[in-house]
Amino acid sequence: QQQVKQSPQSLIVQKGGIPIINCAYENTAFDYFPWYQQFPGKGPALLIAIRPDVSEKKEGRFTISFNKSAKQFSLHIMDSQPGDSATYFCAASLYSWGKLQFGAGTQVVVTP
Amino acid sequence: GAVVSQHPSRVICKSGTSVKIECRSLDFQATTMFWYRQFPKQSLMLMATSNEGSKATYEQGVEKDKFLINHASLTLSTLTVTSAHPEDSSFYICSARDLSTVLVGSSNYGYTFGSGTRLTVV
Repeated sequence: QQQVKQSPQSLIVQKGGIPIINCAYENTAFDYFPWYQQFPGKGPALLIAIRPDVSEKKEGRFTISFNKSAKQFSLHIMDSQPGDSATYFCAASLYSWGKLQFGAGTQVVVTP
Repeated sequence: GAVVSQHPSRVICKSGTSVKIECRSLDFQATTMFWYRQFPKQSLMLMATSNEGSKATYEQGVEKDKFLINHASLTLSTLTVTSAHPEDSSFYICSARDLSTVLVGSSNYGYTFGSGTRLTVV
């Protein structure tokens, strides 16, 4: 049973576009929501993370929007570049020290 | 920042042999390490959680006698795939938690991932 549902499975945008990836969770005890970027043959790398007491967080071109009441959070990639082409995973963690629950992943392709 | 070194990056072994994968935290002490398995175009699947000096806790459906995990020190954890078979071919990734980076109210809970090991069993 997947505790974090991620969509879409894949998306293609042109350079400069804003890919948006959405995640939804059920467990209200989750209190840590990170996003990871993974390139082929590499391990995931933390992009940005948010706690449930904040509704939005920006780091560089990456923005997380968090809606606690809807139990949803999303990643926006501003001014996307071909180098952003990768697989993105959302995740959630229980009680701060728990195991990360990963979404299914979204393959993003940014065309030149 | 925290760095986790995973070795080897690729390994090919014959069916029936054992393979050991190492995961080292280079500049921090990792009291907890996680081992994941990832199939092509799929998400990370947690296999087990290990705490330094303790037996690993395996996820449901993961054979603990096949995937031996040792976390003997605060900087090293190993995963040994015993009697490997072609169906064990996969991408294995470790993750370590850096408690020193966790601050009250921080949004960084200190999970750092290794670069992964591509295991091919022939």
